[in-house]
Amino acid sequence: QKEVEQNSGPLSVPEGAIASLNCTYSDRGSQSFFWYRQYSGKSPELIMFIYSNGDKEDGRFTAQLNKASQYVSLLIRDSQPSDSATYLCAVNDDYKLSFGAGTTVTVRA
Amino acid sequence: DTGVSQDPRHKITKRGQNVTFRCDPISEHNRLYWYRQTLGQGPEFLTYFQNEAQLEKSRLLSDRFSAERPKGSFSTLEIQRTEQGDSAMYLCASSGAGTSGGGEQFFGPGTRLTVL
Repeated sequence: QKEVEQNSGPLSVPEGAIASLNCTYSDRGSQSFFWYRQYSGKSPELIMFIYSNGDKEDGRFTAQLNKASQYVSLLIRDSQPSDSATYLCAVNDDYKLSFGAGTTVTVRA
Repeated sequence: DTGVSQDPRHKITKRGQNVTFRCDPISEHNRLYWYRQTLGQGPEFLTYFQNEAQLEKSRLLSDRFSAERPKGSFSTLEIQRTEQGDSAMYLCASSGAGTSGGGEQFFGPGTRLTVL
């Protein structure tokens, strides 16, 4: 599987702040990029996907993709305690996904 | 709206026993994937189907593992002669005939396997 690296956590942010998560990938030919949220003991939940360079916003989440730098990020604005979870970056490898190990985010009140 | 379902949710077995898991994908999705996840790691690809055809298997998948998807509907994953190293969360995901790269994959709740 292709390599996907995420910045090591845990990441602790105060409520209302911006959480910034980073991910790099090894295969320049990758075309599709996904962010999943995973609560402890639960399965991954798709929260964002991005296919083109630039920014994509969905509510409090913004995904940013830079294919030249092989870099994808996720910003969580106005962080809430319910955002406390592990965030997984995934990159397509043909039809399957290669995942990073995840970054655990804790939002402190 | 019915998402991906998996059964059982938990399975405890003794080493050497065989186990079988079932996955029912989202009804209009033609692609079905199996992943395995251990603590502190992201999901790891095992195999995937497009309709009833098994198109790819991970080289990590030993011959003790077999998967089927008869008639392109539900899928089963069988592990024979289980080992303690098989203890993990087994995740099923499905996707439609979407954009390049397989499209968005949606995961079921997973089956947590514990091998004693």
